[in-house]
Amino acid sequence: DTGVSQDPRHKITKRGQNVTFRCDPISEHNRLYWYRQTLGQGPEFLTYFQNEAQLEKSRLLSDRFSAERPKGSFSTLEIQRTEQGDSAMYLCASSPGPYNEQFFGPGTRLTVL
Amino acid sequence: QKEVEQDPGPLSVPEGAIVSLNCTYSNSAFQYFMWYRQYSRKGPELLMYTYSSGNKEDGRFTAQVDKSSKYISLFIRDSQPSDSATYLCAMPDRGSTLGRLYFGRGTQLTVWP
Repeated sequence: DTGVSQDPRHKITKRGQNVTFRCDPISEHNRLYWYRQTLGQGPEFLTYFQNEAQLEKSRLLSDRFSAERPKGSFSTLEIQRTEQGDSAMYLCASSPGPYNEQFFGPGTRLTVL
Repeated sequence: QKEVEQDPGPLSVPEGAIVSLNCTYSNSAFQYFMWYRQYSRKGPELLMYTYSSGNKEDGRFTAQVDKSSKYISLFIRDSQPSDSATYLCAMPDRGSTLGRLYFGRGTQLTVWP
C-alpha cells in the first residue's frame, strides 16, 4: 500500500502527558498537511510543510503543539501537556505540489482522559 | 460566520434515490471546489473537484457550482448502500495555490436497501 500512513491509529493518554504522532506521506509528495477533526465537524487545518519548511500554522496550533518534517520526508506532531479538549482525530495529508489534490491518511484518534 | 457552511443531516434515503448535498461559502475568492467522502473511522478521500462555476459529471456523481450565489451541490444518482458515508465539501485557500483546505462540517448519508 503506497498511501499516506499514520501511526499510531489510536492513542489514549492521561491529561498532562505528552504525545507524538507520526505521518509518512506518499513517496515524493513534497507538501504535507496536518488537520484536526472533532466529532461531527469537518477537518480543521493545523499546519503544512513544503519539503522541510513549515509554511503556515493555524491559530489553532497553540504553543503546546509542535510539528516537524526533518529532511522533507515523514512528519511528527507533538502535543505537550495534553488537555481533554485535545481529544480528536488528527489527520495527515500529502500532495505532489500546490496544484494537486490532498491525499489523506487514516488518522490518529487521540483520547485524553 | 464560518468560511464554509454545510447541513450536517443526517440524511437517510432508500437505495436508488437521487441525493442532493449542498454547501454555501462566504469567501468570493474561492476558485476550486471539492467534495470528499469519509467512511467511518477513515480519512477523507477526494470524490470530485471543479474549478469556477458550472457542472462536472463523473459516473453517478454530478458537482455543481454557482459562484454568484456562493453555493455548491453534489448530486448522487441511483444511490447505493455503499454510498453511505459522510460527505464533506472543501475549498482551498488562496485560489489556485491549493494550500490549506476549508471544510464544511460534513453531511452524514445513509442509503438503506
